[in-house]
Amino acid sequence: GAVVSQHPSWVICKSGTSVKIECRSLDFQATTMFWYRQFPKQSLMLMATSNEGSKATYEQGVEKDKFLINHASLTLSTLTVTSAHPEDSSFYICSARDSGGAGSEQYFGPGTRLTVT
Amino acid sequence: GDSVTQMEGPVTLSEEAFLTINCTYTATGYPSLFWYVQYPGEGLQLLLKATKADDKGSNKGFEATYRKETTSFHLEKGSVQVSDSAVYFCALSPSTGRRALTFGSGTRLQVQP
Repeated sequence: GAVVSQHPSWVICKSGTSVKIECRSLDFQATTMFWYRQFPKQSLMLMATSNEGSKATYEQGVEKDKFLINHASLTLSTLTVTSAHPEDSSFYICSARDSGGAGSEQYFGPGTRLTVT
Repeated sequence: GDSVTQMEGPVTLSEEAFLTINCTYTATGYPSLFWYVQYPGEGLQLLLKATKADDKGSNKGFEATYRKETTSFHLEKGSVQVSDSAVYFCALSPSTGRRALTFGSGTRLQVQP
């Protein structure tokens, strides 16, 4: 089946530093990938839609200069949290939609837990 | 905008009990509907889906029917097991546009032996 990986699975960084999270579709091509944020015991909140070869589309209230998204190839999207602060600590999850598929199903990565100290 | 409402948890059941987790949605057109499951410490996994009215999605003993008239997609299982303990998310994807998922708040299920 379709597999999406994320790296790293967890990361601890100091306040003010930047962290890059990778999302890869391993066995399919994904024109579109999505980045979600999940707070403890809460639902997933869509942050942005990552489009291969073009700019990401951010949801209202998400700072695009803080959460930089790059979708340089059909199998890789990256999320960079710039100048991280403790309130950015969260579980970040990506998903990818199979470009060759006819349906709307998304495949999710295992998530990356970010802790900012 | 689109929205998904699901029953609050946690839901605590004994093994072999019947499970229902209610989910209703608000959306224009004919969205696709999904149930995702998140086991402790793991990422989201697709449990089942339905793409049009009256479709029934099923997997691992779980079922949900796409009811357009009541805008619902309730999750059911006839006999739960301890291994079903997880958080269940109802979600929808619009039929057009970016097709980003809109999630419900999640329902935690605890099954006791």
